[in-house]
Amino acid sequence: GQSLEQPSEVTAVEGAIVQINCTYQTSGFYGLSWYQQHDGGAPTFLSYNALDGLEETGRFSSFLSRSDSYGYLLLQELQMKDSASYFCAVREKDENQGGKLIFGQGTELSVKP
Amino acid sequence: AAGVIQSPRHLIKEKRETATLKCYPIPRHDTVYWYQQGPGQDPQFLISFYEKMQSDKGSIPDRFSAQQFSDYHSELNMSSLELGDSALYFCASSFLVSGGLEKDEQYFGPGTRLTVT
Repeated sequence: GQSLEQPSEVTAVEGAIVQINCTYQTSGFYGLSWYQQHDGGAPTFLSYNALDGLEETGRFSSFLSRSDSYGYLLLQELQMKDSASYFCAVREKDENQGGKLIFGQGTELSVKP
Repeated sequence: AAGVIQSPRHLIKEKRETATLKCYPIPRHDTVYWYQQGPGQDPQFLISFYEKMQSDKGSIPDRFSAQQFSDYHSELNMSSLELGDSALYFCASSFLVSGGLEKDEQYFGPGTRLTVT
């Protein structure tokens, strides 16, 4: 089976840095993605790691360690608009080479003034 | 830039009725995915299509079926609706990446909020 674990909620203040961790167990693994979802909105893509290491995109960075089945999303210079749910997701490797995503339960980030 | 279009945005049905959700992927995307998201839950993969053929199947009830048409739009058909089917239904589209190194970005539509009463 597949499972992803991430904290259910995180609270931080504006301007701070927050790290959201994700551990996963899957039968096959292509890479780890992160999606942001505001309440009632659609998930939007943030980042993707297929190889070990850090990927940086503006204020957001994502890290992957395949040997540890672990990754994290780092958000810097937090803004109020960053308050949202953040999902890690694994793209599974399967015989059909499909791209279905298996999502974690989501981390609700609350940014306080 | 064109995004994924879903219709209707909101749908209210009674138990045992049927519903049809439509999805229009981003032009030239070859893969369509359907996800179901209950309140406070993560999106659950239902089914996907690559080049109009079903490519993968997840936790989709037998009461649900889906297809992708020649113009690449997709429809999710839901019959014998139950209260538990009330959820947000997202369609996403992407270019299928067959390897593992390419950026894997799925573009999600705004969703259809289905309420079963």
